[in-house]
Amino acid sequence: GQNIDQPTEMTATEGAIVQINCTYQTSGFNGLFWYQQHAGEAPTFLSYNVLDGLEEKGRFSSFLSRSKGYSYLLLKELQMKDSASYLCAVRDRLTGGGNKLTFGTGTQLKVEL
Amino acid sequence: GAGVSQTPSNKVTEKGKYVELRCDPISGHTALYWYRQSLGQGPEFLIYFQGTGAADDSGLPNDRFFAVRPEGSVSTLKIQRTERGDSAVYLCASSSGRALTGANVLTFGAGSRLTVL
Repeated sequence: GQNIDQPTEMTATEGAIVQINCTYQTSGFNGLFWYQQHAGEAPTFLSYNVLDGLEEKGRFSSFLSRSKGYSYLLLKELQMKDSASYLCAVRDRLTGGGNKLTFGTGTQLKVEL
Repeated sequence: GAGVSQTPSNKVTEKGKYVELRCDPISGHTALYWYRQSLGQGPEFLIYFQGTGAADDSGLPNDRFFAVRPEGSVSTLKIQRTERGDSAVYLCASSSGRALTGANVLTFGAGSRLTVL
């Protein structure tokens, strides 16, 4: 099974940097994903890590340490539109293929002026 | 289609009634997933289809829940004898295939919000 932990809420200031942490315990691991979800909308893909290290994509970066079962999402130059829930998800190894994700509860980020 | 389409967007029903929720995945996507999301929680896996067959239905909570994908495209999630605890947003996602390499990203629809009174 999977167990994924992330903070419930965070608040940050426009223009600042925020780091959202995620820890996981899994019986099988084949990648970690971060999704962004605005209220009432579909989750949208932000980043993917399968090897240790940092993946950078514009204002967003994601880090993975497989030995520590730890990831973080780094958001730079925060904008008001970044206020959303950020979901950490681990991909399991499925027999016969597949892309089953187990999600954390999400971190609700509020960006303030 | 261009994205994952789900209908209805909102469904209010009475306890004990039968409900069907429809998902139209991205054209050409062979893999289709159903998730359920309760308020303040992350999406919870229900079932995964590869083509027409259910490859993994381990997340279905009980035998009141059933899903089909008869032609390998559109899928319907069926809930019998609905209970108040079934109230949630039901999300559908699709991806291009079974490959476990690379991102093979799940693209989600906006969901069907089910309210059981």
